[in-house]
Amino acid sequence: DTGVSQDPRHKITKRGQNVTFRCDPISEHNRLYWYRQTLGQGPEFLTYFQNEAQLEKSRLLSDRFSAERPKGSFSTLEIQRTEQGDSAMYLCASSPPISGVPRVFGSGTQLSVL
Amino acid sequence: DQQVKQNSPSLSVQEGRISILNCDYTNSMFDYFLWYKKYPAEGPTFLISISSIKDKNEDGRFTVFLNKSAKHLSLHIVPSQPGDSAVYFCAASESDDKIIFGKGTRLHILP
Repeated sequence: DTGVSQDPRHKITKRGQNVTFRCDPISEHNRLYWYRQTLGQGPEFLTYFQNEAQLEKSRLLSDRFSAERPKGSFSTLEIQRTEQGDSAMYLCASSPPISGVPRVFGSGTQLSVL
Repeated sequence: DQQVKQNSPSLSVQEGRISILNCDYTNSMFDYFLWYKKYPAEGPTFLISISSIKDKNEDGRFTVFLNKSAKHLSLHIVPSQPGDSAVYFCAASESDDKIIFGKGTRLHILP
C-alpha cells in the first residue's frame, strides 16, 4: 500500500453532466477527508468520514454534491449537474485512528467543467 | 473570513540560508497546527506539526515555533536546499477535527 489513490487524475466534462471521483485511502486509516482546492487558494474542507459514517459536511457541499463510503474503505464523491464553478482540484486524504487530522493526501482529481 | 492567514504569497531564499515562513490565525480554539509542503501536480505532504501545549517542535532541518499570545506560528528551514522549493501551507485544527488551511506561501530556493 503506497498511499492514498485517487481516480481519475483529470476529468473534463461539459456543464450539466454528472461526474464521480474515487478515493482509496491507506488501508488501516479509518478517517477519510475530501477537500477542494482552486488556484491560489489553500485546500477547503468539504466532508469527512470516520469508517462509513459521514461526520461533517461543509456548507460548500451543496445539494449537488454527495459523498459515500459504503464499507468504510474507498469513498466516492459525486457532483451532479456540474457548473463551471465546480472546476477545481479535488483532494482526498486519510488518517489513522491515533491521529484525527489528515496526514496523507492523494494527488487529487483535477476537474475542468467546460 | 480567513481563520488561517499566510500573508506572504511568495518568498525567495538563497540556498544554504534560513527560510522563515509565517502564519497567523484568528481562532483561539485551535489546538493543533500543521505545515504541509506541496509540489506541482501532487497532493500536500505533511511536514511537521505542533500542539498548542508546546511552543517549539523540531524535526531535522525543520522547526515550527508557536506563539499563542500572538496567534502566530512560523516554520524555519535551515539550511535551505533546492528541493525545498515548493508551496507551503499552514493549517490548524480544533479538537482533532478537520483542518483549516491558509492560502500558502511559494518558497523559491535560489542557487
